[in-house]
Amino acid sequence: AQTVTQSQPEMSVQEAETVTLSCTYDTSESDYYLFWYKQPPSRQMILVIRQEAYKQQNATENRFSVNFQKAAKSFSLKISDSQLGDAAMYFCAYRGGGATNKLIFGTGTLLAVQP
Amino acid sequence: DAGVIQSPRHEVTEMGQEVTLRCKPISGHNSLFWYRQTMMRGLELLIYFNNNVPIDDSGMPEDRFSAKMPNASFSTLKIQPSEPRDSAVYFCASSLGFERFYGYTFGSGTRLTVV
Repeated sequence: AQTVTQSQPEMSVQEAETVTLSCTYDTSESDYYLFWYKQPPSRQMILVIRQEAYKQQNATENRFSVNFQKAAKSFSLKISDSQLGDAAMYFCAYRGGGATNKLIFGTGTLLAVQP
Repeated sequence: DAGVIQSPRHEVTEMGQEVTLRCKPISGHNSLFWYRQTMMRGLELLIYFNNNVPIDDSGMPEDRFSAKMPNASFSTLKIQPSEPRDSAVYFCASSLGFERFYGYTFGSGTRLTVV
């Protein structure tokens, strides 16, 4: 079964600085998709960025980028120029490319942004 | 598009009462998912539907929980009888089943408190 591990329960960053959130996963599939979701205090789950496993190029969305290391099964999220609005819980998630359509989440990393 | 719509946003009920949570997925999405979020267990997939058919209900905690999807635009999650340990945030999400790159779109969740 696939698993997703986020080893950092909490992180803190100064406003305008850069922070990296870690995520590792375990799978025997070769085709899959990886996601980072943000959950602010409003509790809405917001898709931040996504990556297809067959693409070697790391995904980027404005200040958010990933470091995808397929062999190491690592999928970290980098937030550049951190803003107060980035404070939230961040979840890494895995979705298989086969018959299973489930999105499997990690336990989350709570990010605090200090002014 | 109004997104995934869940109701009610908050629900407080007494132990032993029946609770029904409702979800309207995004029009055209053919996969629907129910998740439960707690501090202790994180985000757990309870059940998911493809084309209104339940595919995997292995996450449903016990027989007190049931879910239905009578048509493509409506789903319910029912707890009968409710217990204090059912207190959690329940999310509904939808997606295009074959478009796995796009992840899920989540509703705003229902915060259930059982006293």
